[in-house]
Amino acid sequence: AQTVTQSQPEMSVQEAETVTLSCTYDTSESDYYLFWYKQPPSRQMILVIRQEAYKQQNATENRFSVNFQKAAKSFSLKISDSQLGDAAMYFCAYKDGGSQGNLIFGKGTKLSVKP
Amino acid sequence: ETGVTQTPRHLVMGMTNKKSLKCEQHLGHNAMYWYKQSAKKPLELMFVYSLEERVENNSVPSRFSPECPNSSHLFLHLHTLQPEDSALYLCASSHSWEANNEQFFGPGTRLTVL
Repeated sequence: AQTVTQSQPEMSVQEAETVTLSCTYDTSESDYYLFWYKQPPSRQMILVIRQEAYKQQNATENRFSVNFQKAAKSFSLKISDSQLGDAAMYFCAYKDGGSQGNLIFGKGTKLSVKP
Repeated sequence: ETGVTQTPRHLVMGMTNKKSLKCEQHLGHNAMYWYKQSAKKPLELMFVYSLEERVENNSVPSRFSPECPNSSHLFLHLHTLQPEDSALYLCASSHSWEANNEQFFGPGTRLTVL
């Protein structure tokens, strides 16, 4: 069965600095999708960034980028120029690339941003 | 905010009560999901509905009963719950139950079972 591991329960970053959140996963599939979701305190979970496993190029969305290492089954999230609004729980998630598929989440990393 | 709403936002119930959680999506999506989010545990998928048909039921106790009357609404009926069922229950929707479709989440219902 597929699993997703986030080894950092909590992380802290200074405003305007860069932080990297780690995620590893285990799968025997070659076709799959990886996601990072953000859940601010008392607010809805939103998608931050998505990576298709067949794409070698790392996905980027403004200040958010990933380091996708398929052989190592690693999918880290880098947040540049951190802002106070980035403080949230961040969840890494995996989904098989078949016609149907369910999201498998990690336990999450709580990110604090210090002013 | 996304187009997925959930009511109530907070619910406290006794173990003998019967209550229902409601989810509504205004995005024209065809797939809807119930997740359970407990402290220090990964989100657990409970149920998936695609085109109003239940397509996934992840060994959820029968005290949780989902209902999907149409593609815009999803309910989770609760009865004789246990204290360990206290959690944040999240609803989500996606265009279809396809792997690359983004899921949009509601704000959740914070459930406390006394």
